[in-house]
Amino acid sequence: EPEVTQTPSHQVTQMGQEVILRCVPISNHLYFYWYRQILGQKVEFLVSFYNNEISEKSEIFDDQFSVERPDGSNFTLKIRSTKLEDSAMYFCASTRGRAAYEQYFGPGTRLTVT
Amino acid sequence: GDSVTQMEGPVTLSEEAFLTINCTYTATGYPSLFWYVQYPGEGLQLLLKATKADDKGSNKGFEATYRKETTSFHLEKGSVQVSDSAVYFCALTRGANNLFFGTGTRLTVIP
Repeated sequence: EPEVTQTPSHQVTQMGQEVILRCVPISNHLYFYWYRQILGQKVEFLVSFYNNEISEKSEIFDDQFSVERPDGSNFTLKIRSTKLEDSAMYFCASTRGRAAYEQYFGPGTRLTVT
Repeated sequence: GDSVTQMEGPVTLSEEAFLTINCTYTATGYPSLFWYVQYPGEGLQLLLKATKADDKGSNKGFEATYRKETTSFHLEKGSVQVSDSAVYFCALTRGANNLFFGTGTRLTVIP
């Protein structure tokens, strides 16, 4: 069964450094997402991406964040200058369509900013 | 704004016990409602969904009914197994693609 994959599973970085989290969505899916979960808190929507552009973003997704689909298979989330509060589990998801279509999630990348 | 409130965990049950995990939501219009499950070391998987009032979603012995009058979507299972141990997330989406999640409820089933 096709699945969403994410690398790395755990990333440790120092405050102020840039990090890139990588995701490979399911190949025939058209919509891509990033979510994050700070320990003990809700899973929060960050951004959705369709047709090579951002379709929606939350207020969390500020200028420090960017997304890219560089080669038709990978989908990346970049944080330019990490802060301590960026420490969280980051989930990538993809889906064939909108609204009630199932979103398929990857296993997550745990980002620890020290 | 849209939000989901989910029963706090953790929940520990003996095998074959009855499970209820409460979920209520706040949303304008007619959201679609979901339960996702996360097994250890894995991503979130869709467990069941309901797209309109009075719909019942069901899968693997779990079920939940979309109750518009009480804005609820409680998850139930009549007889849990050790393999059901996981974190369960209630979520909604309303037209737009992004999901709004609850905080998750960790279920541990002991033999």
